[in-house]
Amino acid sequence: KAGVTQTPRYLIKTRGQQVTLSCSPISGHRSVSWYQQTPGQGLQFLFEYFSETQRNKGNFPGRFSGRQFSNSRSEMNVSTLELGDSALYLCASSPLGNEKLFFGSGTQLSVL
Amino acid sequence: ILNVEQSPQSLHVQEGDSTNFTCSFPSSNFYALHWYRWETAKSPEALFVMTLNGDEKKKGRISATLNTKEGYSYLYIKGSQPEDSATYLCAFGAGSYQLTFGKGTKLSVIP
Repeated sequence: KAGVTQTPRYLIKTRGQQVTLSCSPISGHRSVSWYQQTPGQGLQFLFEYFSETQRNKGNFPGRFSGRQFSNSRSEMNVSTLELGDSALYLCASSPLGNEKLFFGSGTQLSVL
Repeated sequence: ILNVEQSPQSLHVQEGDSTNFTCSFPSSNFYALHWYRWETAKSPEALFVMTLNGDEKKKGRISATLNTKEGYSYLYIKGSQPEDSATYLCAFGAGSYQLTFGKGTKLSVIP
């Protein structure tokens, strides 16, 4: 069974640009959640999607958005990038949302 | 704002030593407590999900206990091996489809 796949693995952008990250969950998993990891911080929850509906959103500005498609694949978009958005973005999937999470390898975003 | 605290922040032990770390979380609105192991250059991997007060889980040399009334969980590693070197994360779930993670305990096992 394939694991959670995140693309791209690395991204370099400049301030003001926008970026889209992609996540393909484990087959059969309908819940996809996104987390941000910055140095010195724990994983910070961004949002969670289930069957194309956002069920919960973390405390991030509106520049951070996401969506989920009918095949459960999810994308996360960050607009008007700021230097502080430089981070590792992790996607995780689970069957229904309240079980253990299966994480992808992450996308390392650098904003210059 | 939920607060999940882990201690110690980092730990160095000799191979063969047993060790334990602590996760403190809110004692109200408890749904589940997760433990993950995060090795360098890999993805976080689930160790345990505990939901009931008094739960004890074991996986090989690693075990965990849960006290929801006082809001803490312990993770124990018996006879640490170099391959146990990783950051151990705990995460509190309040049933809202999101987890609040602690900052982790970084374990280094010296051969």
